[in-house]
Amino acid sequence: GEDVEQSLFLSVREGDSSVINCTYTDSSSTYLYWYKQEPGAGLQLLTYIFSNMDMKQDQRLTVLLNKKDKHLSLRIADTQTGDSAIYFCAERETNTGFQKLVFGTGTRLLVSP
Amino acid sequence: DVKVTQSSRYLVKRTGEKVFLECVQDMDHENMFWYRQDPGLGLRLIYFSYDVKMKEKGDIPEGYSVSREKKERFSLILESASTNQTSMYLCASSLRTAGTRGRHEQYFGPGTRLTVT
Repeated sequence: GEDVEQSLFLSVREGDSSVINCTYTDSSSTYLYWYKQEPGAGLQLLTYIFSNMDMKQDQRLTVLLNKKDKHLSLRIADTQTGDSAIYFCAERETNTGFQKLVFGTGTRLLVSP
Repeated sequence: DVKVTQSSRYLVKRTGEKVFLECVQDMDHENMFWYRQDPGLGLRLIYFSYDVKMKEKGDIPEGYSVSREKKERFSLILESASTNQTSMYLCASSLRTAGTRGRHEQYFGPGTRLTVT
């Protein structure tokens, strides 16, 4: 089945850029997602990218997609302490008729002042 | 705004008890999902439902069952709770059709942290 991998931790200083990486296995994925989970809360959709795009920018967030290498990244510019959270990468499973998402392990981002 | 609510934020149960976790969504979504979240393992799908009274096993269904008698409500049942079911349980819902943006994004509840002693 599909597999999505992420590194578990990332630590940055406030004001720096953060880059969270993800690799996935399903080359036919149509949508790839980034979800954010703040402490004690459920997941919220942060941004997404359609597979025919290489890049998507949304304010401080930049998503890069390399379909050849099946690599997705999320860049957060000017990282703030409020960005400290767990970030999940997810791909939409395509081998069934159901709209299932396959999630990565999550990357815990810690932003220090 | 889509709202997904879960019946409890924290729950403590004893080994062998039958446990019910309830999830309600208010956006008329066809799909509903139950995940468990464990450190280092991410989110793992337990069961999902694409319509009333319909259910499909996810990746880790053993020890769990589900019930969907109404479109807005999806229940996760631990028939006989065990300590290895101590975890954070997350419910989510989504549209079955593509929607206006075709994203099929899932909307999550706040989670129930279950401890089985």
